[in-house]
Amino acid sequence: QVHLVQSGAEVKKPGASVKVSCKASGYNFNDNYIHWVRQAPGQGLEWMGWINGKSGATQYREKFQVRVTLTRDTSVSTAYMELSGLTYDDTAVYYCARLDSNWDLEYLQFWGQGTLVTVSS
Amino acid sequence: DIQMTQSPSSLSASVGDRVTITCRASQSISSYLNWYQQKPGNAPRLLIYGASSLQSGVPSRFSGSGSGTDFTLSISSLQPEDFATYFCQQSSSSPWTFGQGTKVDVK
Repeated sequence: QVHLVQSGAEVKKPGASVKVSCKASGYNFNDNYIHWVRQAPGQGLEWMGWINGKSGATQYREKFQVRVTLTRDTSVSTAYMELSGLTYDDTAVYYCARLDSNWDLEYLQFWGQGTLVTVSS
Repeated sequence: DIQMTQSPSSLSASVGDRVTITCRASQSISSYLNWYQQKPGNAPRLLIYGASSLQSGVPSRFSGSGSGTDFTLSISSLQPEDFATYFCQQSSSSPWTFGQGTKVDVK
C-alpha cells in the first residue's frame, strides 16, 4: 500500500532554512506528482507547490517562489521541501501528498504524517 | 487566486443528525472541487473528489454536490467518528486553494 513518511520535527531560528523529506513507498515514485501543503497552528491548509516525480519539474505558489525549493531523489523515492529565510509565520505542520487523478479531476489521496517546523529564537 | 469560502465555520450536531456544509468559490471552478476531513493531529483525508465522486473506502453517508461556484458536503447520519474539521479545495487553477474549514463538534 502507498505510504508517505516524512522526516521529524524541526526547530529553527529566524532566518535559517529547513529541509523536510518525504519518502514514498508502495508505488512507482516516477508515476506521480508530490504536492506540499502547510498548516499553521489552529489554522487552515495552504498549498505551497508541486514537483513531478519523474521529470523534477516544479511549480510554486507565488508567495513562496523565492524561498521554497522542491527537489526529489528518484533513487530513494524521496521528495524534499526546503524553505529558506524562516520567520515566525513559517511555524506550521508541513505535509507532502501524492497527486492522483481520474480523467482531469485531480486530488490529494495519500498524505504524509506531517512535519512540525517551529521557528523560535 | 480563487477564494474558497465555507459556511458555517463551525456547527454543533448530534449523532444521527444530517449535516450540510457549503463551499463557495469566488469564480466558476466547474466540478474541480474536493472535500477533506481532518481530525486533530492527523493529516487530511480525502472524502470527495470532482465535487460528487466518493473516494474509495469512504462511507456512503458522505455525499457531495454542486458545480460552478456553489458546492455542498452532506453527511446523512452523523456518526461519532465524523466529529472533525472539513475543508473544501479547488483544483481548477493554480494556486490550489482551500476553504477555511468547518469544525463539526458535539452538541
